[in-house]
Amino acid sequence: DAKTTQPTSMDCAEGRAANLPCNHSTISGNEYVYWYRQIHSQGPQYIIHGLKNNETNEMASLIITEDRKSSTLILPHATLRDTAVYYCIVSNFGANSKLTFGKGITLSVRP
Amino acid sequence: EAQVTQNPRYLITVTGKKLTVTCSQNMNHEYMSWYRQDPGLGLRQIYYSMNVEVTDKGDVPEGYKVSRKEKRNFPLILESPSPNQTSLYFCASRRGRSYEKLFFGSGTQLSVL
Repeated sequence: DAKTTQPTSMDCAEGRAANLPCNHSTISGNEYVYWYRQIHSQGPQYIIHGLKNNETNEMASLIITEDRKSSTLILPHATLRDTAVYYCIVSNFGANSKLTFGKGITLSVRP
Repeated sequence: EAQVTQNPRYLITVTGKKLTVTCSQNMNHEYMSWYRQDPGLGLRQIYYSMNVEVTDKGDVPEGYKVSRKEKRNFPLILESPSPNQTSLYFCASRRGRSYEKLFFGSGTQLSVL
């Protein structure tokens, strides 16, 4: 599976959009981009995933560049409850479907 | 409510005393897996199961056993726990297709003294 690179941390103001970047320059054609988050020591929570097209759901939007070498997770109106570690994961999901979690990016939402 | 349930949430034990951490899901998922999370090492997969009676090793299986006798349950067994198994453990499940999202349990914090 391709490796991802994320900043260590970032912050944003409550109510503003949080844009979390992720680089995956070695991504191959059949690999999906997934985002999960982990609030404190709770179990990771799925946010969104995509292959080529931009995706949006009730939690966030995922913007994938045309060359697929990077992506951005957008939380449109961040709240204090969005403070968490966000993991960008690239996986072609073989039979095991193992997710390799890196260090992620710590998002701090300030009042 | 669809969920993955782990028990116990916290467990303190002593070296060598066998223990079992239970995991149950109510979503009829075929795939289940166990991860451990340690500071600086991220989440690492211990074992996984593609379906009933089908289990296989993940990245760090040493010292652990699992079983999958029923679709909904996937217990993690530590036959002789050691201090290096002190960790935060997560169970996860998903539907059969490999690109489906994983649902995680709330975690079990294990301390082996």
